[in-house]
Amino acid sequence: DTAVSQTPKYLVTQMGNDKSIKCEQNLGHDTMYWYKQDSKKFLKIMFSYNNKELIINETVPNRFSPKSPDKAHLNLHINSLELGDSAVYFCAISDPGWGYTFGSGTRLTVV
Amino acid sequence: QKEVEQDPGPLSVPEGAIVSLNCTYSNSAFQYFMWYRQYSRKGPELLMYTYSSGNKEDGRFTAQVDKSSKYISLFIRDSQPSDSATYLCAMSLSGGYQKVTFGTGTKLQVIP
Repeated sequence: DTAVSQTPKYLVTQMGNDKSIKCEQNLGHDTMYWYKQDSKKFLKIMFSYNNKELIINETVPNRFSPKSPDKAHLNLHINSLELGDSAVYFCAISDPGWGYTFGSGTRLTVV
Repeated sequence: QKEVEQDPGPLSVPEGAIVSLNCTYSNSAFQYFMWYRQYSRKGPELLMYTYSSGNKEDGRFTAQVDKSSKYISLFIRDSQPSDSATYLCAMSLSGGYQKVTFGTGTKLQVIP
C-alpha cells in the first residue's frame, strides 16, 4: 500500500494543452508538497499545503495552480503547457523530525 | 551561486569501497540536514536525517555535519551494487513545515 501515490506516471501532451496531476496520501500527515525535478535532477519546491491551506508558494508561473480538496489529496493543474514545463513532478508529504516521503513522480513531456 | 552545492559526479567505485559524498552550503541558518537516495525513475527516499553538527550512523551509512565549515558528508561503507543511485543532500531552516532546499545530486555507480 503506497504512502504517496501519483497519477498519471507518464503524461505526454502538446503545447498549449491543460493537464492535471493528482496526488493522494494515506498516512494522515497534514502537509503536502509539489516539487519539480528538471533534467539535471535539481529538485525545486513549487507549493506546500498544510491542512488544505497554501503555506508555501514559490516563484511559479500562475499557469500552475494547486488544489487541495481534502487533507489526503493535493492536485496540480497546469494551463497552457509550454515546452519548458517538461520535467518530473513529485508530490511529497512531511513528518516533522523525519523529512519527506515522496511519490514516484509524474514524468511530463510537452511536445 | 546555488544555496546548496553538490558535485554531480558520476562517481564510480568498486564494490566494497568506502564512498564519500559531500555538499557545501551558503546559508548558515540551516539546522536540519538530510540525505536522500534516488534510484532511476523513482522518487527520492530518505536515508539520514540529522540536526545541527555532529555524526549519525545507521548501518553502513554515516552522516556528518560541520556547521562551522558549512559542509556535510555521507559515508557509505562496504558499498554494494545496490547502492548505485543518485544521492541528494538537503537542508532546512527548521524541522517543521519549512521548505527543504536540495542539492543537485551525485550519481554513484558501484561496480561489482
